Amino acid sequence: QKEVEQDPGPLSVPEGAIVSLNCTYSNSAFQYFMWYRQYSRKGPELLMYTYSSGNKEDGRFTAQVDKSSKYISLFIRDSQPSDSATYLCAMSAKGNYGQNFVFGPGTRLSVLP
Amino acid sequence: DVKVTQSSRYLVKRTGEKVFLECVQDMDHENMFWYRQDPGLGLRLIYFSYDVKMKEKGDIPEGYSVSREKKERFSLILESASTNQTSMYLCATHTDTQYFGPGTRLTVL
Repeated sequence: QKEVEQDPGPLSVPEGAIVSLNCTYSNSAFQYFMWYRQYSRKGPELLMYTYSSGNKEDGRFTAQVDKSSKYISLFIRDSQPSDSATYLCAMSAKGNYGQNFVFGPGTRLSVLP
Repeated sequence: DVKVTQSSRYLVKRTGEKVFLECVQDMDHENMFWYRQDPGLGLRLIYFSYDVKMKEKGDIPEGYSVSREKKERFSLILESASTNQTSMYLCATHTDTQYFGPGTRLTVL
């Protein structure tokens, strides 16, 4: 079993839809949970960052962490064509030299006008 | 805002050439990372450095070496480039989260 599982998609939705992106993980030591957005041929940019369980909202984006189920989600409300990108989940646990990061493979999202 | 810059956005090299990829960060972070990203394989850690002149192997170090002579600069070296090293290379730095550079798309012919 991979440490982090993420459906690679592609996922196509109409403009204005609510998008739900998810990751599951197996390592209960993960403490920090992140979502990155990556446009084609660019580096990933940090979207959301949460510590431990709970919800975090930032504009149209909501990140949820359920540590008991080892499941994290990113919701995008009122999706726009500019949201079309690959979304990577990431999580980290304390290692010998700071945090050890593990990334999901990414879900490719297309928002159709 | 954290700024991570990489020396080239696109690079084309020939098999057997020595290749240097440079990364610079402006936030005085101790930890820096080099990843490669390939379709279907996601991000894979090549090397990381937790201090000047200190380095640790990641998951796929074979065929690569690194240099960290100054805190802000972390270089990835391909001693003898091969076609299977054609990839997107991403540098990152971190505090609690990772911050990525724009990436270098390397093609080895």
